[in-house]
Amino acid sequence: EVQLVESGGGLVQPGGSLRLSCAASGFTFSSYWMSWVRQAPGKGLEWVANIKQDGSEKYYVDSVKGRFTISRDNAKNSLYLQMNSLRAEDTAVYYCARDSDYGDYWGQGTLVTVSS
Amino acid sequence: QLVLTQSPSASASLGASVKLTCTLSSGHSSYAIAWHQQQPEKGPRYLMKLNSDGSHSKGDGIPDRFSGSSSGAERYLTISSLQSEDEADYYCQTWGTGSWVFGGGTKLTVL
Repeated sequence: EVQLVESGGGLVQPGGSLRLSCAASGFTFSSYWMSWVRQAPGKGLEWVANIKQDGSEKYYVDSVKGRFTISRDNAKNSLYLQMNSLRAEDTAVYYCARDSDYGDYWGQGTLVTVSS
Repeated sequence: QLVLTQSPSASASLGASVKLTCTLSSGHSSYAIAWHQQQPEKGPRYLMKLNSDGSHSKGDGIPDRFSGSSSGAERYLTISSLQSEDEADYYCQTWGTGSWVFGGGTKLTVL
């Protein structure tokens, strides 16, 4: 059974940093692109970033470029999102998803709240 | 620019059928999309990938009540024999070079 479990969310002040993790199981993690998607309170889904199987290619939505970094550790079956210079508008539930061009498996999400 | 357009809301009665629409922006009518369901307070769930010719492949455990079809730039999700648990937000999603695009979502109310 494919499972994706996010962790690392919490309350952080504007300008602060947070690192999200996604633990994957039930499939060959190193064979898939992976994505992060977020959902602000009461809003729709927004793709944030994705990463190729070997980490050699990464893409970001414009609003997080230069502030967020996606990475992965295939030995640990884990995906990460390092978030720096956080803003109030980054407040959202963050989901990791297996990326088969589309999200064919999703985690349950972790809430990030940016507030003073 | 690759854009997906969805109606914000839809409603149908218990046991009836409903057809949700996702429209691809001009010049992108050949693109495949995916449909996702998000029940209240839950993460998204992949329903199916839908190609421009109407062929589709569903996710694990998705009931036969869910089907997809296509016409030009329109992509449809039909849910038959509506059940209370089908009340959810439905998002279409497509992909370009290294990025995903989501529609704004349709909130389905089961009456």
